[in-house]
Amino acid sequence: DAKTTQPPSMDCAEGRAANLPCNHSTISGNEYVYWYRQIHSQGPQYIIHGLKNNETNEMASLIITEDRKSSTLILPHATLRDTAVYYCIVRVAGWEYGNKLVFGAGTILRVKS
Amino acid sequence: KAGVTQTPRYLIKTRGQQVTLSCSPISGHRSVSWYQQTPGQGLQFLFEYFSETQRNKGNFPGRFSGRQFSNSRSEMNVSTLELGDSALYLCASSLGPAGGGYTFGSGTRLTVV
Repeated sequence: DAKTTQPPSMDCAEGRAANLPCNHSTISGNEYVYWYRQIHSQGPQYIIHGLKNNETNEMASLIITEDRKSSTLILPHATLRDTAVYYCIVRVAGWEYGNKLVFGAGTILRVKS
Repeated sequence: KAGVTQTPRYLIKTRGQQVTLSCSPISGHRSVSWYQQTPGQGLQFLFEYFSETQRNKGNFPGRFSGRQFSNSRSEMNVSTLELGDSALYLCASSLGPAGGGYTFGSGTRLTVV
């Protein structure tokens, strides 16, 4: 699986959009970008994933650059409850590859009032 | 629907003992994976089971083992506990090993004294 690079921490004002970047310059054509977050002492929570098109769900939007070497997770209106560690993970999805996730250090997002 | 259930939530064991942790996946999910989280190493993949078969294994010593039952419930066992085994052990389930989002449980906090 390709390696990802994320800033160690970011701050965001409550109610504003939080934009979390991730670099994955060695990503392969069949690798997806996944985002998870972990609120203190809880299990990681799936947020969103994508291959090459931008994706949006009720939690967030995922913007992947055309060359797929980087992506941005957008929380449109951050709240205090969005304070968490956010993990960007690149992995190949498919029966033969299984469900192994390789977590990096992630980005600590602090939402402040 | 019920989420991923891990029992017990907290556990204190003595060095040299063994421990068994349990994970009940979401109903209908057949893939179960286990992760260890420590402050020093972060989240690390232990192993993945699907249809009672281990599909993937992380880089952990043989003291760490697991199994999956026909109802998809899974257990992991750690023998000859060491102080360094103190960690949050997380279980995640998904429909199958072909990708998509995992659902994590809240974990079992193991303390070895």
